[in-house]
Amino acid sequence: SQELEQSPQSLIVQEGKNLTINCTSSKTLYGLYWYKQKYGEGLIFLMMLQKGGEEKSHEKITAKLDEKKQQSSLHITASQPSHAGIYLCGADIDGYALNFGKGTSLLVTP
Amino acid sequence: SQTIHQWPATLVQPVGSPLSLECTVEGTSNPNLYWYRQAAGRGLQLLFYSVGIGQISSEVPQNLSASRPQDRQFILSSKKLLLSDSGFYLCAWSVLLGSEQYFGPGTRLTVT
Repeated sequence: SQELEQSPQSLIVQEGKNLTINCTSSKTLYGLYWYKQKYGEGLIFLMMLQKGGEEKSHEKITAKLDEKKQQSSLHITASQPSHAGIYLCGADIDGYALNFGKGTSLLVTP
Repeated sequence: SQTIHQWPATLVQPVGSPLSLECTVEGTSNPNLYWYRQAAGRGLQLLFYSVGIGQISSEVPQNLSASRPQDRQFILSSKKLLLSDSGFYLCAWSVLLGSEQYFGPGTRLTVT
């Protein structure tokens, strides 16, 4: 099965700092999804990447998929307390469901 | 717009008791529906998915079952809960299989 490894497992950054979260697959990614989850709540869809080299941005969050389509990064610029939560990457499994990484917990301190 | 509901939001049940969690989707027809369980340190585990009424695919053999009695209703059940069934249960829907999924608010189940 396709394994997704996320790093780091947790992250504490000072407000205003930039940060990057990585998601690495053992196999080629044909659809890579980024979600955000606040503790005890459902997942919020952020972005989807499909093409090698693709990059998408939403407000201060940018996601990239490398040319080999085996690694994706999520970059947050000038982090704010509202960015705190758990970020999960997910990828299509055999065309019917998503397989998720274990998540990266982000805490933004004042 | 589409919305997805889950209830109850939290549940505390003794070992051996039955379980019924409900998920409903509004604003779309014939969605693909999914049940996931999220346990601490273990990420999201796909439990069941459904492509239509009465069609259920199970991913992990376990103490749970799922049913889809109506197009936009997905139910997760158990006849006898185990301690290991504790976790955060999430329902999701998608337009296409393997495409982006939209998640409900989740149900926190504690089995005591």
